[in-house]
Amino acid sequence: DTAVSQTPKYLVTQMGNDKSIKCEQNLGHDTMYWYKQDSKKFLKIMFSYNNKELIINETVPNRFSPKSPDKAHLNLHINSLELGDSAVYFCASSPGTGTNTGELFFGEGSRLTVL
Amino acid sequence: SQELEQSPQSLIVQEGKNLTINCTSSKTLYGLYWYKQKYGEGLIFLMMLQKGGEEKSHEKITAKLDEKKQQSSLHITASQPSHAGIYLCGAVNQAGTALIFGKGTTLSVSS
Repeated sequence: DTAVSQTPKYLVTQMGNDKSIKCEQNLGHDTMYWYKQDSKKFLKIMFSYNNKELIINETVPNRFSPKSPDKAHLNLHINSLELGDSAVYFCASSPGTGTNTGELFFGEGSRLTVL
Repeated sequence: SQELEQSPQSLIVQEGKNLTINCTSSKTLYGLYWYKQKYGEGLIFLMMLQKGGEEKSHEKITAKLDEKKQQSSLHITASQPSHAGIYLCGAVNQAGTALIFGKGTTLSVSS
């Protein structure tokens, strides 16, 4: 069983559309994250949720809205997609938070291409 | 905000050679994580260092933490094609809310 699974793995869409990426972890972790990896491979934190509560919301446009229905799921919805949103989005989970974050487990990534 | 600087940005070595990747933090480190990413895949955890002077090894990869210098190094001995990929260092951010990452070092190993 995959520990952190994301769907879809690939997503190609037109500018202006709305899309969602889903993430599920079966590790029993309390904290989940969304990271964005740009074309230069720079990995940047977007959101962090601990037990369904938003912990961190970096400088991300309001078009991005995370939703955590339960602590095993963290979905990312993006409205009015722009060309600059093209990237690989990684979901991750960890057993703790803060200085007790521990090892992060990453999904395989969702490659979003906006045309 | 805290930043992690990795060097070199990219590296090409011949199979069998040793190499070192460095990671320097702009602020105090509260633990340092090393990850590896293969093309088209997610990040794989390599090791975590929490105390100054701590050194850990996994197969032919050794990482060390110099807390005073706010720096960590990753050393690969007798590199193999399987070592190729992107190596990223990560650290807990100052707010203690997430891991932030360096920009990565791309390693290619030629046989």
